[in-house]
Amino acid sequence: DTGVSQDPRHKITKRGQNVTFRCDPISEHNRLYWYRQTLGQGPEFLTYFQNEAQLEKSRLLSDRFSAERPKGSFSTLEIQRTEQGDSAMYLCASMRGGFGQETQYFGPGTRLLVL
Amino acid sequence: DAKTTQPNSMESNEEEPVHLPCNHSTISGTDYIHWYRQLPSQGPEYVIHGLTSNVNNRMASLAIAEDRKSSTLILHRATLRDAAVYYCILRDEMKTSYDKVIFGPGTSLSVIP
Repeated sequence: DTGVSQDPRHKITKRGQNVTFRCDPISEHNRLYWYRQTLGQGPEFLTYFQNEAQLEKSRLLSDRFSAERPKGSFSTLEIQRTEQGDSAMYLCASMRGGFGQETQYFGPGTRLLVL
Repeated sequence: DAKTTQPNSMESNEEEPVHLPCNHSTISGTDYIHWYRQLPSQGPEYVIHGLTSNVNNRMASLAIAEDRKSSTLILHRATLRDAAVYYCILRDEMKTSYDKVIFGPGTSLSVIP
C-alpha cells in the first residue's frame, strides 16, 4: 500500500454513460498525476496538478475528459459520453514536489470497461 | 524532453543476477534517472533513482555510465516476484513547473524457475 487510494477499483459502464473516478493522494503531496494505461503499454500521461492548479493536459485528454482537484486534496477524473476506446486502467500518482529527485507514488488504479 | 530506450523484454533464471539496460543518449546534466516497476494488475512502484553516482537500496542497484548516456538496473538475485515491467524515466531537476513524467513501454522481465 503506497498511501494513494483510488475509487472505484473496477467500473463497467455502457457506452454513452458518464463515469467519475476519485483519487486520494498522500496528504502532504502537492503534485497529483493522472495516467491511462492500456494492455501492453506503459502509462500514458493525461494531466497533472500542482495543488489545485491543473498545469498540463495531454492531447489525449479530449473534451469529454475533465479533471479537478478542489482545495488541492483529492482529485476526480470524469469521462462524459464514454466510448469503447476509453476502456483502460486509469492510474493516479502523487508526488511531494516537482524536483527531479522526488518520486511518484501510484495508486492501484481504476479499471474501466465500456460495453 | 530527453527520452529513454529499453529492450522490450528480457528473461532471467531465478536466483541469478539481472541487468536491465536503459539508453538515454540525450540526457541533460540536470536529469535524474528513475526506475519504476509494475507488477501484474498493480500500479507502478518506485525502485531507485540516481544522478551521477551508482546507487544501492534494498530492492536493487543502479549503475550509471560515466557519460550518463546509459544506466543499468541490477537485481542481484531474481525471484519470481521480480517478474514485472521495468520503466526507466528521466526527470529534470530544473523543470519544476513543467514535469509531465513520461513513461515508455518499459522492459518486461520474465523470471524462469
